Amino acid sequence: AQSVSQHNHHVILSEAASLELGCNYSYGGTVNLFWYVQYPGQHLQLLLKYFSGDPLVKGIKGFEAEFIKSKFSFNLRKPSVQWSDTAEYFCAVTFNDMRFGAGTRLTVKP
Amino acid sequence: DVKVTQSSRYLVKRTGEKVFLECVQDMDHENMFWYRQDPGLGLRLIYFSYDVKMKEKGDIPEGYSVSREKKERFSLILESASTNQTSMYLCASSPDRGKGTFFGQGTRLTVV
Repeated sequence: AQSVSQHNHHVILSEAASLELGCNYSYGGTVNLFWYVQYPGQHLQLLLKYFSGDPLVKGIKGFEAEFIKSKFSFNLRKPSVQWSDTAEYFCAVTFNDMRFGAGTRLTVKP
Repeated sequence: DVKVTQSSRYLVKRTGEKVFLECVQDMDHENMFWYRQDPGLGLRLIYFSYDVKMKEKGDIPEGYSVSREKKERFSLILESASTNQTSMYLCASSPDRGKGTFFGQGTRLTVV
């Protein structure tokens, strides 16, 4: 069955630390890949997306993600996190519809 | 900006009640989705629709039904609410498969 896995349930970092959140999917065909962010009390917002082309995708707020087809992965990165990045992050993959990972809660300590 | 509007932010219903959650989008999107969001489980797809009067089951359709009589409106129905349906419900729409999805603010439903 098609599925999306996020490896970390809760990540706690200090400000200025580097971030990498893992996302893997299981599907052999063509996919589109997304990362969404949900700040406390707010609705989901699109952070970045990959459809084709350069596998390194730059998004908003200094986030980027790299699509590695051979590893079925689309990991999210940020070189230096800020307290305002505290949120829940969801990886999503479209097969015939959009499926989400379980989410990773990021807490950034000031 | 695309706007996806869910009729209620918070709802409290009793076990056994029939519950309607309404969602309207204003961008003529063909595709609409209902998810529920639970801690540690992320977003799980309940139902989706690619056209008026068309619906397909997602991962967890049991206990739910949907209605799409008009393109802009996608309703989620809990036929007989149960406490395990207490959750945050998110409606979403998109213009094309895989091209980005826009979410509503969510409805936090509590079934007592």
